[in-house]
Amino acid sequence: GENVEQHPSTLSVQEGDSAVIKCTYSDSASNYFPWYKQELGKGPQLIIDIRSNVGEKKDQRIAVTLNKTAKHFSLHITETQPEDSAVYFCAANTGNQFYFGTGTSLTVIP
Amino acid sequence: NAGVTQTPKFQVLKTGQSMTLQCAQDMNHEYMSWYRQDPGMGLRLIHYSVGAGITDQGEVPNGYNVSRSTTEDFPLRLLSAAPSQTSVYFCASRIAGGTDTQYFGPGTRLTVL
Repeated sequence: GENVEQHPSTLSVQEGDSAVIKCTYSDSASNYFPWYKQELGKGPQLIIDIRSNVGEKKDQRIAVTLNKTAKHFSLHITETQPEDSAVYFCAANTGNQFYFGTGTSLTVIP
Repeated sequence: NAGVTQTPKFQVLKTGQSMTLQCAQDMNHEYMSWYRQDPGMGLRLIHYSVGAGITDQGEVPNGYNVSRSTTEDFPLRLLSAAPSQTSVYFCASRIAGGTDTQYFGPGTRLTVL
């Protein structure tokens, strides 16, 4: 099956700085790559996604890039704010199944 | 729309007991799935369903049963609870197909003593 690796596991940034989280996947058949934000005690919530026919997607302060050749994709958060503090998960979709990374705990220091 | 709802929010079981985690969605989504979340391991797929009457296994199906008699409901049954099943369980749904947004419920925190 698919194997998704995510780095770093923890990340601390100063408010206003940028944060980057990276994921790699193993199955070249994967064609959809969502990113989720999970706040304490809640379920994951989709924040941005990218499909395999697109190299980059941006939504305000959040952007995702995809390199299909290298099988990696990244989440970029600019101008971080304290409310961005949460756990972020990447995922890769192959057919009917999603495979998740192990998560990155992001702390934005005011 | 209530979205994806799960009950109960918390549950404590003794080893060997059985129970059912409930999941319902009101978005008329064909695809529903169950995940477990353990520290440092992300979310792992237990079982999923692509429509009423159709279920299939995910990465970690052992010890769990599912059924899908209606589009709205997708219960997860623990047949004989074990301490290794202590986890947070999330139900999710999406319209269908591989590139549709997946919506998660609020989770059930299960402890097996």
